Amino acid sequence: EAGVAQSPRYKIIEKRQSVAFWCNPISGHATLYWYQQILGQGPKLLIQFQNNGVVDDSQLPKDRFSAERLKGVDSTLKIQPAKLEDSAVYLCASSYGDGAYEQYFGPGTRLTVT
Amino acid sequence: GQQVMQIPQYQHVQEGEDFTTYCNSSTTLSNIQWYKQRPGGHPVFLIQLVKSGEVKKQKRLTFQFGEAKKNSSLHITATQTTDVGTYFCLDYGQNFVFGPGTRLSVLP
Repeated sequence: EAGVAQSPRYKIIEKRQSVAFWCNPISGHATLYWYQQILGQGPKLLIQFQNNGVVDDSQLPKDRFSAERLKGVDSTLKIQPAKLEDSAVYLCASSYGDGAYEQYFGPGTRLTVT
Repeated sequence: GQQVMQIPQYQHVQEGEDFTTYCNSSTTLSNIQWYKQRPGGHPVFLIQLVKSGEVKKQKRLTFQFGEAKKNSSLHITATQTTDVGTYFCLDYGQNFVFGPGTRLSVLP
């Protein structure tokens, strides 16, 4: 079974520029998560989708971050404009259902903002 | 808000020694999942615990959920170099909160 796909794997941008990340979850997985992992810390949930609806976006900085999952399959996360503190690895994960299911993580996108 | 803490932050062991990491919460944990992240890799699911006092074993790994559901632990018996990585606990009840992780290094 194919795993969670993410692209790009690396991205370097200057502050105030915009960037977008793409995620394709495991086929059949209804729940999709975006996490931000700053070096040396645990992943922080940014947004959780159940099919194409948002379950939790309470920690998403909505003034600069946006995410969508229009057809309930793949998803994009956008940052506009980027700040230096956005430098992190952005992880996408998917699970079969909501809550009590293991999450499968993609390889992540390492973002560096200069 | 809820805080999930893990101790120790770092652990260096000689190969063959045992290792334990503890996950503690300021509030009652709903359900716990444990993940392992190798250096440069992504988190990989290990186990989930849902019942108070639950104990689960996977070969050399033993996972426990506290009776009061405010803590959990992961114990590795006779560590190997393949155990190197960061171990995270995740409380996935009302909120999805990862602990900061315990980084394990194993000296051959």
